[in-house]
Amino acid sequence: DTGVSQDPRHKITKRGQNVTFRCDPISEHNRLYWYRQTLGQGPEFLTYFQNEAQLEKSRLLSDRFSAERPKGSFSTLEIQRTEQGDSAMYLCASSFTSAGREQYFGPGTRLTVT
Amino acid sequence: TQLLEQSPQFLSIQEGENLTVYCNSSSVFSSLQWYRQEPGEGPVLLVTVVTGGEVKKLKRLTFQFGDARKDSSLHITAAQPGDTGLYLCAGAKETSYDKVIFGPGTSLSVIP
Repeated sequence: DTGVSQDPRHKITKRGQNVTFRCDPISEHNRLYWYRQTLGQGPEFLTYFQNEAQLEKSRLLSDRFSAERPKGSFSTLEIQRTEQGDSAMYLCASSFTSAGREQYFGPGTRLTVT
Repeated sequence: TQLLEQSPQFLSIQEGENLTVYCNSSSVFSSLQWYRQEPGEGPVLLVTVVTGGEVKKLKRLTFQFGDARKDSSLHITAAQPGDTGLYLCAGAKETSYDKVIFGPGTSLSVIP
């Protein structure tokens, strides 16, 4: 299967710990997006990359959030000093530049901060 | 500010019934996508509409983009339990082509 993959699928951490999530996009896609989704809501845009360039990061929720895509392939999303309010589903999606509106999502990482 | 609104928020129907869910905005979108999401999974793309007034059919699902490209509807004929899920609309604004904005979703439950 060559779809978008995310790891881990579930993460439970204690408040104050750092967590890192990984996303592997569809290999031909040059755009990669990160979203956060809380219960009963649609995905909330966080940031996106075109190849290795991070083109939009103003929507990252705070300076505790950072994302990288060092070689233009996989990406990581890190949350430092986690808070209970960070508990959510973190979704990754990828797309072609020419069809950037159609995004293909991974299964998500469910974060629980205790 | 919620740029995309969806209604109803929740819908529970019997198998075999028809239903329509709506996606509305005051903004014009260059395109609009519909996704279906099951619990614990990521959204799955169903369709993209780009032309005002466009109608697309996917088996028992009919999608329509409003003439002014501000709204859309999804009609399901003879709903099946497998249609259960969260239906999300997502729009790409003309002034921000790269960024897609999601609505809050309509949670559909089809009872056998």
